[in-house]
Amino acid sequence: QSALTQPASVSASPGQSITISCTGTSSDIGAYNFVSWYQQFPGKAPKLIIFDVNKRPPGFSNRFSGSKSGNTASLTISGLQAEDEADYYCSSYSRGDTLIFGGGSRLTVL
Amino acid sequence: QVQLVQSGAEVKKPGSSVKVSCKASGGTFNSYTINWVRQAPGQGLEWLGRTTPILDTTNYAQMFQGRVTISADTSTTTVYMELSGLKSDDTAIYYCATGGWQLLPNFDDWGQGTLVTVSS
Repeated sequence: QSALTQPASVSASPGQSITISCTGTSSDIGAYNFVSWYQQFPGKAPKLIIFDVNKRPPGFSNRFSGSKSGNTASLTISGLQAEDEADYYCSSYSRGDTLIFGGGSRLTVL
Repeated sequence: QVQLVQSGAEVKKPGSSVKVSCKASGGTFNSYTINWVRQAPGQGLEWLGRTTPILDTTNYAQMFQGRVTISADTSTTTVYMELSGLKSDDTAIYYCATGGWQLLPNFDDWGQGTLVTVSS
């Protein structure tokens, strides 16, 4: 299975909104509503921030939201803050009982 | 919340094997699965496979089939991941993470990671 496709880097100013895309195929994102997003700070383990396309774990900020259209999933961060600067990874269940990840997107808050 | 503590860094020769451990505490060991995810330096995440301790079953990513073995010792609540036929591009941080019974990309708790370096 090929990795999901994400932009290598994205950037925006504090207070703005930004959307990170994650493109797959009809065998993964397009076929199932099992897309997750992870936030990772340097030297730390990833943290689950969105699951099942658009659900947030308890207590996680509602500035983060997820969506999906066709073979592409998206993560939107609104009211961008300096502490949101991190790497973001998407992941999906894929046909054949496997899980795949995107290559990651580095978010820079200008 | 489940705490996962992994074994320390390893340096291995090409062609050899490595075995990384992941000890779980908190929660109920038989109520979740343990997944293994790796991250090569400066690269993205890659799922290797998982075990469901209560069922003693495993699922492996196709690209690692035949090279990876994941096992669990329920008496010590420890899960092991062994990777054989090591190559230089197996150099990575290996993480264990908890998941639900369904094979979904929802990993709630993570270990601190174990750096495996493959070098001659």
